[in-house]
Amino acid sequence: GAVVSQHPSRVICKSGTSVKIECRSLDFQATTMFWYRQFPKKSLMLMATSNEGSKATYEQGVEKDKFLINHASLTLSTLTVTSAHPEDSSFYICSARGLAGERDTQYFGPGTRLTVL
Amino acid sequence: GENVEQHPSTLSVQEGDSAVIKCTYSDSASNYFPWYKQELGKRPQLIIDIRSNVGEKKDQRIAVTLNKTAKHFSLHITETQPEDSAVYFCAARSHFRKGTYKYIFGTGTRLKVLA
Repeated sequence: GAVVSQHPSRVICKSGTSVKIECRSLDFQATTMFWYRQFPKKSLMLMATSNEGSKATYEQGVEKDKFLINHASLTLSTLTVTSAHPEDSSFYICSARGLAGERDTQYFGPGTRLTVL
Repeated sequence: GENVEQHPSTLSVQEGDSAVIKCTYSDSASNYFPWYKQELGKRPQLIIDIRSNVGEKKDQRIAVTLNKTAKHFSLHITETQPEDSAVYFCAARSHFRKGTYKYIFGTGTRLKVLA
């Protein structure tokens, strides 16, 4: 149980375009979803926390207009990188925390590697 | 803001030896501390966790200890095997809004088990 999927796994785009990444909890309802960014050989940097039906809470230094997060249902959250630039290239990972059972535990998606040319 | 420090950044041990990774957190209200193992190009996987009402927890070769007073927690891996080689992250859960939490991650430890 507790599977989180992420799509796409890899995306290459041109500078100036927007990219949408989906994060789904497949077999549980996620009250909270987290979006992280990970640079090579570095730690997970929390970008934002989103609760279903409410606005995301962004970490200091993360531009909310650039990284749009939508948490429309208990099983889906999306991150849209708007007007992407090469410096946005990174590994983006989502995680989800469940409603019941192991509520403390967050389960990670497989990540999306974004390359902006 | 909340912070989690993790040491060492890299650790090499001989197969069969023990490995210890230490973390220190800043938010005294943190009450949940998971440890994740991340292999190259893969997602972090939860390997063990501990809550603040417990001082120690063990699962086969892996154990975690927590010192709330000092705000330290540690991961202990005994009888290490080559497949234990990976990056390990500690995390501390911080409450930031009523009923909502976030997880602050340590900087990671790259463990290499030498055969």
